[in-house]
Amino acid sequence: DAGITQSPRHKVTETGTPVTLRCHQTENHRYMYWYRQDPGHGLRLIHYSYGVKDTDKGEVSDGYSVSRSKTEDFLLTLESATSSQTSVYFCAISGTRDSASNYGYTFGSGTRLTVV
Amino acid sequence: AQTVTQSQPEMSVQEAETVTLSCTYDTSESDYYLFWYKQPPSRQMILVIRQEAYKQQNATENRFSVNFQKAAKSFSLKISDSQLGDAAMYFCAYRRDSGYALNFGKGTSLLVTP
Repeated sequence: DAGITQSPRHKVTETGTPVTLRCHQTENHRYMYWYRQDPGHGLRLIHYSYGVKDTDKGEVSDGYSVSRSKTEDFLLTLESATSSQTSVYFCAISGTRDSASNYGYTFGSGTRLTVV
Repeated sequence: AQTVTQSQPEMSVQEAETVTLSCTYDTSESDYYLFWYKQPPSRQMILVIRQEAYKQQNATENRFSVNFQKAAKSFSLKISDSQLGDAAMYFCAYRRDSGYALNFGKGTSLLVTP
């Protein structure tokens, strides 16, 4: 979607290797989120950020870490990829709490990660 | 954590007909927000409609409307005059008033037949 890009769009990696996914926004939004989507599970929150260097864990954070050194970038790292982390990963952004409530959240196009 | 339940993994509707997708949620909060998102095969997440819990009036966006029953903690989506382009995965989502992130249901896959 306009204003938010994820890279890469697809990635295949081997078990045990570290992987970093990038989310970049041009909306200057304060809040950024990483979700994973799996069949039968919907979207589940991994980590989120409420400002530069301010992050917190979500529902399924084990095996993942995040960093946000600039407002526009939110990185998701799989420290040692496992097959259970094969998934589609979505980044989302939102502005103030009021604007998020009024206008929803903007999602990236997703990254399909396959761990072999 | 709040739980969002979509009890219909798959639904089917004929073109031009009406279909209702169910969503229930569990919360102890009085103020919160509810959303329906559409995900077509392109994977893009598209906001369909939203509802503030403090508003009794059901939200409507063109052919999409909701039936919000706060006491029953139910938030169903009605799609009228279904079109082939409505075929997608639909997700119900919840956000508490003081929170940040969305909490999603598992989704309902909607098939639209000619």
